[in-house]
Amino acid sequence: ETAVFQTPNYHVTQVGNEVSFNCKQTLGHDTMYWYKQDSKKLLKIMFSYNNKQLIVNETVPRRFSPQSSDKAHLNLRIKSVEPEDSAVYLCASSLGLGGRSYEQYFGPGTRLTVL
Amino acid sequence: GEQVEQRPPHLSVREGDSAIIICTYTDSATAYFSWYKQEAGAGLQLLMSVLSNVDRKEEQGLTVLLNKKDKRLSLNLTAAHPGDSAVYFCAVIASSGSWQLIFGSGTQLTVMP
Repeated sequence: ETAVFQTPNYHVTQVGNEVSFNCKQTLGHDTMYWYKQDSKKLLKIMFSYNNKQLIVNETVPRRFSPQSSDKAHLNLRIKSVEPEDSAVYLCASSLGLGGRSYEQYFGPGTRLTVL
Repeated sequence: GEQVEQRPPHLSVREGDSAIIICTYTDSATAYFSWYKQEAGAGLQLLMSVLSNVDRKEEQGLTVLLNKKDKRLSLNLTAAHPGDSAVYFCAVIASSGSWQLIFGSGTQLTVMP
């Protein structure tokens, strides 16, 4: 049963364009994340939000920015895409930190192709 | 920081056989261990998770073993079937770090009928 929703499923765009990906979770969790999965399936954390506060911001390029309206939503904006941004972007959520709160639940992903 | 190595990168087994995937980690303060399954074109499905005070956990044909002395985590799929074919990832959190989930590099499991 899907509880972390992502839109769109796929997006194809040209270098220099702006894109925005949406993520919503219906689990009542306090923390949400964005991961990037490259063509070799490697997963790296990009951002995490806890109670609308950015708590982890990895050294991602400045053209990436997370946007949250409430704790159930965490969107990802890329201001001017580059070819190396082609990847699958996965959104996840967790209850918080500590104990069972560590468990993260993932959405289906958004596949970005930059031409 | 924490480093996680996963092996093998590819694993083929026959239906009904066992499949074992192993991860090793470097940080002795690692507190949380998990396994995920990713089917083609899909997101990650959480299979099982354990905290550092658990050595063994079994659920629905899956066994997770944690050897803290050797810093080794394993996933054993008993009696694999073709529906188990997917990419499997281990993921850990070190309490000495920034509480981030650190992933292994993945194992492509193929179960042949």
